[in-house]
Amino acid sequence: DTGVSQDPRHKITKRGQNVTFRCDPISEHNRLYWYRQTLGQGPEFLTYFQNEAQLEKSRLLSDRFSAERPKGSFSTLEIQRTEQGDSAMYLCASSSLAGGGNEQYFGPGTRLTVT
Amino acid sequence: GQNIDQPTEMTATEGAIVQINCTYQTSGFNGLFWYQQHAGEAPTFLSYNVLDGLEEKGRFSSFLSRSKGYSYLLLKELQMKDSASYLCAVRDGLTGGGNKLTFGTGTQLKVEL
Repeated sequence: DTGVSQDPRHKITKRGQNVTFRCDPISEHNRLYWYRQTLGQGPEFLTYFQNEAQLEKSRLLSDRFSAERPKGSFSTLEIQRTEQGDSAMYLCASSSLAGGGNEQYFGPGTRLTVT
Repeated sequence: GQNIDQPTEMTATEGAIVQINCTYQTSGFNGLFWYQQHAGEAPTFLSYNVLDGLEEKGRFSSFLSRSKGYSYLLLKELQMKDSASYLCAVRDGLTGGGNKLTFGTGTQLKVEL
């Protein structure tokens, strides 16, 4: 399978705990994106990397959220001191700079439930 | 910022044609995308328009008018498997060329017999 993969697929945590999600993009893609999606809404942009550089962060991304892409390959998204409002599907997508990079390929997502 | 509007729900009959509209107001524009999302699954890319006009891809076509801030997705010969949410998204082109997408809330299409 050469698509975008995410781990875990589901995470249930108690309020106040820290959680970390992983995304493995398509291997030749140098752009990686994190989005968050709640029920009945479209995905909301969180942050974006080109190679290992984090080039943009949404104002939605509070200081409890941090993302890294240390070697320009996989990425992690950490949420500290989780709140019930963090419950959502966290989607990762990747694209290639080559050919205009028009299409973003999405992974299956990590569904977070904060109790 | 971006504001994207699309209908919340639509219902159509198998074999028919349906048009899903999307209007947008943006501070910058560098392309409009349509994605399909089945319940519990990731969005999958359907089409991309950056110039005015119609792009056709099999049973799916997408139209763009930049001057009107308007796009539509046309689905022909509807099949039951087309029941899904259809997401309109705009790339603003102002954010360092980073391809950031702003999505609408999605149009839930139900195809009936």
